[in-house]
Amino acid sequence: NAGVTQTPKFRILKIGQSMTLQCTQDMNHNYMYWYRQDPGMGLKLIYYSVGAGITDKGEVPNGYNVSRSTTEDFPLRLELAAPSQTSVYFCASSPPSGGTGETQYFGPGTRLLVL
Amino acid sequence: ILNVEQSPQSLHVQEGDSTNFTCSFPSSNFYALHWYRWETAKSPEALFVMTLNGDEKKKGRISATLNTKEGYSYLYIKGSQPEDSATYLCAFFLYRDDKIIFGKGTRLHILP
Repeated sequence: NAGVTQTPKFRILKIGQSMTLQCTQDMNHNYMYWYRQDPGMGLKLIYYSVGAGITDKGEVPNGYNVSRSTTEDFPLRLELAAPSQTSVYFCASSPPSGGTGETQYFGPGTRLLVL
Repeated sequence: ILNVEQSPQSLHVQEGDSTNFTCSFPSSNFYALHWYRWETAKSPEALFVMTLNGDEKKKGRISATLNTKEGYSYLYIKGSQPEDSATYLCAFFLYRDDKIIFGKGTRLHILP
């Protein structure tokens, strides 16, 4: 099992550009999550999904969009990049049995710099 | 506003010493509390999932306790080693809203 994979590892965007952060898991997990990590702020939940076709907003969803067409993939889209979106983005997934109370497995992160 | 507080923010411990730190969370609508270990330039890795009041979990030199009535969990590290240097995150799972709230972490530095 590769676990949770994220691409790209690092990206520089200009203000106003758009991009998609990819996340894939091969563990057949129903729940998937996107977090951003800002210095000194811990992890903030952007969006999450409880299964294919279902997505919900987290704590900081503004400026982002997600889709979940398959169990494996949960891409995060930035439509108009802003400097405030400079951050490290982590994707995570958790097993199907217990919902959000289950252990989350994290991807390696995507470091995004918006200039 | 629901808050998960971790203290201290940062901690320096001499190699070989034992240490502990705290995660405080709302005591109502408790569902689960997780501890994660997060090394620099890596992704968070799960340490413990705690669900019952009075729970005590152990993994090697690391252990955790849970008090859901008063809303806190302690993480203990016995005989700290350099490889224990990391940020330790707790995450509170609120059943009512299916919400996950992470604390800001305790950054542990082990001094040789």
